[in-house]
Amino acid sequence: AQTVTQSQPEMSVQEAETVTLSCTYDTSESDYYLFWYKQPPSRQMILVIRQEAYKQQNATENRFSVNFQKAAKSFSLKISDSQLGDAAMYFCAYRRLYNTDKLIFGTGTRLQVFP
Amino acid sequence: DAGVIQSPRHEVTEMGQEVTLRCKPISGHDYLFWYRQTMMRGLELLIYFNNNVPIDDSGMPEDRFSAKMPNASFSTLKIQPSEPRDSAVYFCASSLGLAGYAYNEQFFGPGTRLTVL
Repeated sequence: AQTVTQSQPEMSVQEAETVTLSCTYDTSESDYYLFWYKQPPSRQMILVIRQEAYKQQNATENRFSVNFQKAAKSFSLKISDSQLGDAAMYFCAYRRLYNTDKLIFGTGTRLQVFP
Repeated sequence: DAGVIQSPRHEVTEMGQEVTLRCKPISGHDYLFWYRQTMMRGLELLIYFNNNVPIDDSGMPEDRFSAKMPNASFSTLKIQPSEPRDSAVYFCASSLGLAGYAYNEQFFGPGTRLTVL
């Protein structure tokens, strides 16, 4: 069975600085998706970024980028130029590549952003 | 599009009562997922449907939980009888099923916060 682990329950960063959130996962499959979701106090789950395991290039979305290390089964999220609005819970998630399937989530990291 | 709609947003009930949570997926989506979020276990899948048929219900915790999807635009998650340990946020998500390797995003509803006293 696939598992996702986030070992940092809480992180903090100063506004305009950079922060990296860690995620590791375990799977026996070679092709899959990895995601980072943001959950602000409103509870809404917002997709931040996704990575296809068959792509070697790390995904980027504006200030958000990932460091995907397939052999190490590591998938970290880097937030550059942090903003107050980035404060939220961040969840790492895994999904099988082929066909539609469920998301498997990590336990989340609470990010605080200080002015 | 209005997105995934869940009701109610908040539900407070007493132990032993029946609770029904409702979800309307995005029009045209043929996959519907129910997730539960708790402090102890995080976000976990309870059940998901494809074309109104349950595909994987291995996450349903026990017989007190049941889910139905009578048509493409409506699903319910029922807890009977409810217990304090069922207190959680319940999310519904939907996606458009695409065969093979095509990517299809799951869109989440706002969640229902359930409190069982």
